[in-house]
Amino acid sequence: KNEVEQSPQNLTAQEGEFITINCSYSVGISALHWLQQHPGGGIVSLFMLSSGKKKHGRLIATINIQEKHSSLHITASHPRDSAVYICAVGYSGGGADGLTFGKGTHLIIQP
Amino acid sequence: EAQVTQNPRYLITVTGKKLTVTCSQNMNHEYMSWYRQDPGLGLRQIYYSMNVEVTDKGDVPEGYKVSRKEKRNFPLILESPSPNQTSLYFCASSSTGTPFQAPFRPNYGYTFGSGTRLTVV
Repeated sequence: KNEVEQSPQNLTAQEGEFITINCSYSVGISALHWLQQHPGGGIVSLFMLSSGKKKHGRLIATINIQEKHSSLHITASHPRDSAVYICAVGYSGGGADGLTFGKGTHLIIQP
Repeated sequence: EAQVTQNPRYLITVTGKKLTVTCSQNMNHEYMSWYRQDPGLGLRQIYYSMNVEVTDKGDVPEGYKVSRKEKRNFPLILESPSPNQTSLYFCASSSTGTPFQAPFRPNYGYTFGSGTRLTVV
């Protein structure tokens, strides 16, 4: 069974700072997902990665398959980025066997 | 609008009283799944379904049932709820296929429902 570790568990930063959240997993995967959960509870899928790097707006996600590690970066952070960021890994055909989740990183961006 | 609809959003019930949480998606996704989220434990998979009439257990299936009679619906059934099933529940769906097909499927990934907060007393 895959173990998914996220760090840091909690992160408080000032508006404008560059943010990095890390995710490591123990077993080879087919895809890694980054999810965002806002205080209201809803979950949004940010990225799905199988290799390399993806960018969407101020968010960048990278994955190193050999090192079993992924990072989520937020540039020019803003208070509206405050949320829980969750890393999840999947096996075989994308959604075939579901996801194993990290425990999340609580991010607070102060004005 | 493409979405996963869960109902109800909030539910308080008593031990042993059967309940169903509904989940419906309008994206023609093959794959659907249920998760529970608990403080300190994060999200854990309960059941998933690869397609109609195909379901399988996730990491924490005890005390739950599911069915997939139609592609769009994937209800979660608690036959005899107990207080340890008090949790926040999420339904999600995605299209299946390997990540290598992802460049041709820009919306590949998971869509989550809004969640159901269940309290069993």
